[in-house]
Amino acid sequence: AQTVTQSQPEMSVQEAETVTLSCTYDTSESDYYLFWYKQPPSRQMILVIRQEAYKQQNATENRFSVNFQKAAKSFSLKISDSQLGDAAMYFCAYKGTGNQFYFGTGTSLTVIP
Amino acid sequence: DAGITQSPRHKVTETGTPVTLRCHQTENHRYMYWYRQDPGHGLRLIHYSYGVKDTDKGEVSDGYSVSRSKTEDFLLTLESATSSQTSVYFCAISDGQGEGDTQYFGPGTRLTVL
Repeated sequence: AQTVTQSQPEMSVQEAETVTLSCTYDTSESDYYLFWYKQPPSRQMILVIRQEAYKQQNATENRFSVNFQKAAKSFSLKISDSQLGDAAMYFCAYKGTGNQFYFGTGTSLTVIP
Repeated sequence: DAGITQSPRHKVTETGTPVTLRCHQTENHRYMYWYRQDPGHGLRLIHYSYGVKDTDKGEVSDGYSVSRSKTEDFLLTLESATSSQTSVYFCAISDGQGEGDTQYFGPGTRLTVL
């Protein structure tokens, strides 16, 4: 089974600053998808951003962008101009050619006013 | 938001009792999944379904069974609940094609086994 590692259990950022959350994964597949999900205190899992491995261009969604390094098997999430509403647990996820998704253990992000 | 509901949203039960959680979708997606979320473990797959009456085990399937008799419903059953099954349970769906097979999640069910 593929493994997804988030080595930062907790992170904090000042409001309006930029923060980067790390994610690495282990796979022997060449075609796959990577995701970042946000889980606020409401507990709802919300898709933040998606990256297709065959695309070299890094995905961007408004203030959220990724740094996808395929050779290094690294998929970090950058949040620019952090807002109080960004405070949440963030999960990195992987999906290969099979039917299963694999999740990291999460990073808890605190935004300091 | 994807049309996914879970019922009940909260449940407290006693050890040894059977429990069934229901996931209902209105998206007509082929794939449905049950996860449990525990501190320090992230989301772990219990079972998933790739069609009506087609299911497969995930990473933590012991003590759980599932059924899918209709496209829109996926049931998770704990035949005899134990305290180790106290957790938050999430249902997710995906259509298996396009947009990277993105998963969309239900609101979760908090289950407490006393």
